[in-house]
Amino acid sequence: AQSVSQHNHHVILSEAASLELGCNYSYGGTVNLFWYVQYPGQHLQLLLKYFSGDPLVKGIKGFEAEFIKSKFSFNLRKPSVQWSDTAEYFCAVNADTGKLIFGQGTTLQVKP
Amino acid sequence: DAGVTQSPTHLIKTRGQQVTLRCSPISGHKSVSWYQQVLGQGPQFIFQYYEKEERGRGNFPDRFSARQFPNYSSELNVNALLLGDSALYLCASSFGVGPRYGYTFGSGTRLTVV
Repeated sequence: AQSVSQHNHHVILSEAASLELGCNYSYGGTVNLFWYVQYPGQHLQLLLKYFSGDPLVKGIKGFEAEFIKSKFSFNLRKPSVQWSDTAEYFCAVNADTGKLIFGQGTTLQVKP
Repeated sequence: DAGVTQSPTHLIKTRGQQVTLRCSPISGHKSVSWYQQVLGQGPQFIFQYYEKEERGRGNFPDRFSARQFPNYSSELNVNALLLGDSALYLCASSFGVGPRYGYTFGSGTRLTVV
């Protein structure tokens, strides 16, 4: 069965610090990978996605993620976080159907 | 252009009762999926419908059911509510089914079972 694991449950950073959120998935075949963000009181929004090709994908708001097939990982990065990045971040995988499998989420708190 | 709309936004029910949650997809989207998000966890897949047919079902008991209407809107029904059904129920719409279609999520219905 497919599963997604996010290593960090709660991350606290100061503004301008660099961010990296870990995500590992378990599935041996071709996968499609996503990062979603949920700002306080808002709906889930797509940050970025990887289907194939260049393993370094760029998303909205300065976020990027790198797909490392050998490590079954899809880590999210941002060079310099802002207070407005405070939110919950979810990694998700979609392998064979329209079903998204989500990780448990990482709460990011950015201190001004 | 309206996004995915869900109603109601909040709901309080008593154990044993039944509840119906509603979702209207983005215009032109023919697929609707339902997810349950328990506090502190990621969303879990419940159902996916496309062109009024069930295309996927998650690991949820038969108390959970859903349907899709000709206008592509959808209802999620939960019978014999348990305290553990308290969660945020999310609806996502997409143009089609399959791994590469983009999903747009609604803001959810917060269900509290007391």
